Amino acid sequence: GAVVSQHPSRVICKSGTSVKIECRSLDFQATTMFWYRQFPKQSLMLMATSNEGSKATYEQGVEKDKFLINHASLTLSTLTVTSAHPEDSSFYICSAMIGGSGNTIYFGEGSWLTVV
Amino acid sequence: AQRVTQPEKLLSVFKGAPVELKCNYSYSGSPELFWYVQYSRQRLQLLLRHISRESIKGFTADLNKGETSFHLKKPFAQEEDSAMYYCALGTGNKLTFGGGTRVLVKP
Repeated sequence: GAVVSQHPSRVICKSGTSVKIECRSLDFQATTMFWYRQFPKQSLMLMATSNEGSKATYEQGVEKDKFLINHASLTLSTLTVTSAHPEDSSFYICSAMIGGSGNTIYFGEGSWLTVV
Repeated sequence: AQRVTQPEKLLSVFKGAPVELKCNYSYSGSPELFWYVQYSRQRLQLLLRHISRESIKGFTADLNKGETSFHLKKPFAQEEDSAMYYCALGTGNKLTFGGGTRVLVKP
């Protein structure tokens, strides 16, 4: 099946710095990618929908200036957490949809972010 | 707004026993429902979708629009079914997830 890879799988950063998480579709082109956030023992919360070549669509309550999303190619989307704070510590998951396949969505393995 | 509810956070059953994971949704449009599974240390993966009406790994789920439910069932649970299960509602390109149910199948 299709593979979505996230990097890094774990990252620790200092408060006030920025950190970038990459999401790649390894063997298919993804016109649409999604970024989720998951707190411990809680469900996945959709943060934003990222379309190649256009601005991301953010869900209500998600600060777009804090969570910068770039989808520069059909195989790569990045999430940059700017001026990170400890409350941004979470598990971030991306997923990618194969174009024209309805809702066939493949998930990355997730990235643990710890802000100290 | 769409919403997905999984009332049970944890289901513990013995091997060979039936297991049913409940899922209820609220959505004013025509729903597309999914079950995703996450095994230990693995990524989330699609288990089944209601439009396929198929059985995967012995699991089935029937969409009941009258009760707005999409419960997941398996008549005889196996130890390898121990995992986290998420019900999801698809609207357009988006997926809205329920809170998840952890299934523990004891030997």
